[in-house]
Amino acid sequence: DSGVTQTPKHLITATGQRVTLRCSPRSGDLSVYWYQQSLDQGLQFLIQYYNGEERAKGNILERFSAQQFPDLHSELNLSSLELGDSALYFCASSVAMQETPNTEAFFGQGTRLTVV
Amino acid sequence: DAKTTQPPSMDCAEGRAANLPCNHSTISGNEYVYWYRQIHSQGPQYIIHGLKNNETNEMASLIITEDRKSSTLILPHATLRDTAVYYCIVRRGSQGNLIFGKGTKLSVKP
Repeated sequence: DSGVTQTPKHLITATGQRVTLRCSPRSGDLSVYWYQQSLDQGLQFLIQYYNGEERAKGNILERFSAQQFPDLHSELNLSSLELGDSALYFCASSVAMQETPNTEAFFGQGTRLTVV
Repeated sequence: DAKTTQPPSMDCAEGRAANLPCNHSTISGNEYVYWYRQIHSQGPQYIIHGLKNNETNEMASLIITEDRKSSTLILPHATLRDTAVYYCIVRRGSQGNLIFGKGTKLSVKP
């Protein structure tokens, strides 16, 4: 158990809908990262938050957005869903960011999103 | 970020050492080498990381060449449960995110 909690574990929804994925980081971790992994694809970095502020952006679509709340949990919002958005979505957390590069990130078990 | 090159797949006999190579010839002085693995769609699991010295923990050993252009992850006694995709990542000191490549699919066979 990494200590990173993601909910829900599975989600099935229709095209055009909007969903919210939730991530609770490990206690004390200030950074949260979101990744997308499509079937047979690699892990694509989407976005990173540090202590409530967006710090880095990767290949995140405009239909997707995220935020980190004062209690440090994070939500990834996916809207106008398309079939191609079906994927595993992983959240990771780590203690700090830029000043301490030698800290590892711990991953949750992911949310499997199926768009039908 | 420096790019890494890993073989797409490797086999290893159960109980033997698994040696997974990684090339990172453009690595910069402040970049660390990280290893993660992903077992069948589970969340990636941290294994080990290092800067220039060799490192060992309860899971594995990391050997980094003196010029830092390549490294090897060693699983000393591979088990069937070590079958996974192993990712070698070079992480820049000014960034917190981890950029994953395609990794090496390690198959441990009985």
